[in-house]
Amino acid sequence: AQSVTQPDIHITVSEGASLELRCNYSYGATPYLFWYVQSPGQGLQLLLKYFSGDTLVQGIKGFEAEFKRSQSSFNLRKPSVHWSDAAEYFCASSSGGSYIPTFGRGTSLIVHP
Amino acid sequence: NAGVTQTPKFQVLKTGQSMTLQCAQDMNHNSMYWYRQDPGMGLRLIYYSASEGTTDKGEVPNGYNVSRLNKREFSLRLESAAPSQTSVYFCASSVLSDQPQHFGDGTRLSIL
Repeated sequence: AQSVTQPDIHITVSEGASLELRCNYSYGATPYLFWYVQSPGQGLQLLLKYFSGDTLVQGIKGFEAEFKRSQSSFNLRKPSVHWSDAAEYFCASSSGGSYIPTFGRGTSLIVHP
Repeated sequence: NAGVTQTPKFQVLKTGQSMTLQCAQDMNHNSMYWYRQDPGMGLRLIYYSASEGTTDKGEVPNGYNVSRLNKREFSLRLESAAPSQTSVYFCASSVLSDQPQHFGDGTRLSIL
């Protein structure tokens, strides 16, 4: 069965510090990979996606993620966090074809001033 | 640009009551989904519809039914609500079932 693991339930960073949120997936083939953000009281919004090609993908709001096949990882990064980045972040993965994405349990980002 | 619209936004039910959550998308997407979100559990898929005319069970389908009314609309029905179904329900849609999803703002449902 497909699975996506986000090892960190909560991450706390200071405003202006760099950020890395971890995501590991389990598939045999090259997966489609996604990061979503959820602000309080709202639905999920797509930050970025990886289908193929360049393993470093850029997204909205200054986020980027790197696909590392050898580590089965797709970690999300941002060089300088803003207070408005405080939210819940979800990693998701699907196999190419008709398979719907599987979501991780999410990482809650807390930003200290 | 409405995207995915869910109604109602909030609802309180008594145990045993029935209710239908409505979802509509205006992006001409083929696939639609219903999730529930509970603290510490992330998103769990209840049902999905890969294309108009098809529906399939997800991870937690018990106690729910769905109807893909047409390409735009996908409803979720609770026939006899239970307190364990207290949750935030999200509808989503995508062009195809392995593509990025667009989410509604959720329905917050409390069952007493």
